[in-house]
Amino acid sequence: QKEVEQNSGPLSVPEGAIASLNCTYSDRGSQSFFWYRQYSGKSPELIMFIYSNGDKEDGRFTAQLNKASQYVSLLIRDSQPSDSATYLCAVNPLSGANSKLTFGKGITLSVRP
Amino acid sequence: GAVVSQHPSRVICKSGTSVKIECRSLDFQATTMFWYRQFPKQSLMLMATSNEGSKATYEQGVEKDKFLINHASLTLSTLTVTSAHPEDSSFYICSAREGKEAETQYFGPGTRLLVL
Repeated sequence: QKEVEQNSGPLSVPEGAIASLNCTYSDRGSQSFFWYRQYSGKSPELIMFIYSNGDKEDGRFTAQLNKASQYVSLLIRDSQPSDSATYLCAVNPLSGANSKLTFGKGITLSVRP
Repeated sequence: GAVVSQHPSRVICKSGTSVKIECRSLDFQATTMFWYRQFPKQSLMLMATSNEGSKATYEQGVEKDKFLINHASLTLSTLTVTSAHPEDSSFYICSAREGKEAETQYFGPGTRLLVL
């Protein structure tokens, strides 16, 4: 059973702090990794994806991938109250027509003003 | 780019009726779309994978005769909840996979179904 694990949370950080969200996965052959943000009552929206080891930065967001440790994280710098949401880690274990995402249960982030 | 729409956004129906939900990729072609269901405060549950021009692949425990999926074109997939019952009330979300790098899935805004 392919699994994606996220800390159960919730995670609370003060405004302006760095929020660190972590995710581990069981399938060593996984190809690509995604972070989605889901506001309450809304559908998930893509924040970023990563498929190479190392860091990938996009504005205040940095995704970090370590395939040897089967670990992917999302850092949110200068956290804002508008970042308060549930963050879903998703892993694509295959490439091609049969690929589908395996999602973690999500972690709820609360940014305190 | 990579916009996915869903219609309707909200539907209320009587028990026993059928409800059709449309999912469209607006600015890209999607050979594969996915249908998810999400109950309050729970994680996404994949129901089925919809492939253009072929039969959908259903996840274990999802009744294919209950949840009919049609993917007739590269931009449209439909989910029909047949003979809906109150326990089918949920948030139904589709996603479309873009065939570029990383094969990213983009989600529609979701359809909230309430069966009375």
